Amino acid sequence: AQKITQTQPGMFVQEKEAVTLDCTYDTSDPSYGLFWYKQPSSGEMIFLIYQGSYDQQNATEGRYSLNFQKARKSANLVISASQLGDSAMYFCAMREAFSGGYNKLIFGAGTRLAVHP
Amino acid sequence: ETGVTQTPRHLVMGMTNKKSLKCEQHLGHNAMYWYKQSAKKPLELMFVYNFKEQTENNSVPSRFSPECPNSSHLFLHLHTLQPEDSALYLCASSQDSGNTGELFFGEGSRLTVL
Repeated sequence: AQKITQTQPGMFVQEKEAVTLDCTYDTSDPSYGLFWYKQPSSGEMIFLIYQGSYDQQNATEGRYSLNFQKARKSANLVISASQLGDSAMYFCAMREAFSGGYNKLIFGAGTRLAVHP
Repeated sequence: ETGVTQTPRHLVMGMTNKKSLKCEQHLGHNAMYWYKQSAKKPLELMFVYNFKEQTENNSVPSRFSPECPNSSHLFLHLHTLQPEDSALYLCASSQDSGNTGELFFGEGSRLTVL
């Protein structure tokens, strides 16, 4: 069965520093996708970055990068130059191969990030 | 206009009430989803609709009744709920295409059952 594990319930980082949020996954499907979402206190889940299982390079989106280590089944999120607005819950999610035109994402328990000035 | 809009944002109801949550997406997507987010638990997928047809029902109790009249609107009808149903209910949509297929979420409806 598919599983996403985020082992860090909470993380602290100083403003302008980089931080890594951990995510490991388990699947027997060779084709899958990995996502990171941010959830501020407002509740909305905001998509940050995506990594496909066949992508050769690590995904990057602005200050976000995904450290994809396929053999270790890990997909850690790296946030560079943290800002106060980065304080939020962060969720790692996995999707199996496309199934009939819709996505079935399973989510990890999340990591609460606090950025200190 | 935001991509996915949920109303109401907050709802308090008694166990004998009947209420509905509404979700509308303005993105032209074909699939819509209901997720439940309880305290200290990962997001749980409840229902998926693809082109108005229900394609997933993850063993959700019958006191939750979804309705999808078209690809832009999704409802969750609630009746005789239990206090443990108190949670944030998130609606999402996605597009069947060659892109990443990420889900676009609304801000959620926070439900409190007394």
